[in-house]
Amino acid sequence: KNEVEQSPQNLTAQEGEFITINCSYSVGISALHWLQQHPGGGIVSLFMLSSGKKKHGRLIATINIQEKHSSLHITASHPRDSAVYICAAEMDSNYQLIWGAGTKLIIKP
Amino acid sequence: EAQVTQNPRYLITVTGKKLTVTCSQNMNHEYMSWYRQDPGLGLRQIYYSMNVEVTDKGDVPEGYKVSRKEKRNFPLILESPSPNQTSLYFCASSLTRQNDEQFFGPGTRLTVL
Repeated sequence: KNEVEQSPQNLTAQEGEFITINCSYSVGISALHWLQQHPGGGIVSLFMLSSGKKKHGRLIATINIQEKHSSLHITASHPRDSAVYICAAEMDSNYQLIWGAGTKLIIKP
Repeated sequence: EAQVTQNPRYLITVTGKKLTVTCSQNMNHEYMSWYRQDPGLGLRQIYYSMNVEVTDKGDVPEGYKVSRKEKRNFPLILESPSPNQTSLYFCASSLTRQNDEQFFGPGTRLTVL
């Protein structure tokens, strides 16, 4: 069983829709990372959070430590949001990152 | 501009021909790592380095070597590449290993024939 599970694996939505991507983990963590990988391959960090909620523009990340679950939300989605979104759990024992398999998001105009 | 650079971006080679993929960061980061990304498997860590002259194996180190002689550089060496090392490789760095934002290089797409 993977220690970090993302859902859904694939998501196609229309422009303007509210998007939610989920990340569940089974290990104790010191932080949860969300990253974005564009079709060209480059990976950029979106959020790093250990509690509560963070917001950057139209992106919101939340985490529930007790339930070992994090969500990434995109409001007013746009075709340029099309990418693979990856979560990674940073283990509190050794700070190693455990990577999710990614969620491929396609936003249609 | 703060960045992680990798070279080459694309490489096609043949089995057994030694190659080096360079990685350099200009942010004075202590922690650097190498990942490979394969379809359906996500990112897997090959090697990491906590600081100069300190390197350690990740999850899939077989067939790879690294060195960290200077803080900014962390080359990945394939002494005798094999076709199962065909993959997309990423170098990443962060200020420290703990609770710090990860910065990724642009990736190197390696094909071993």
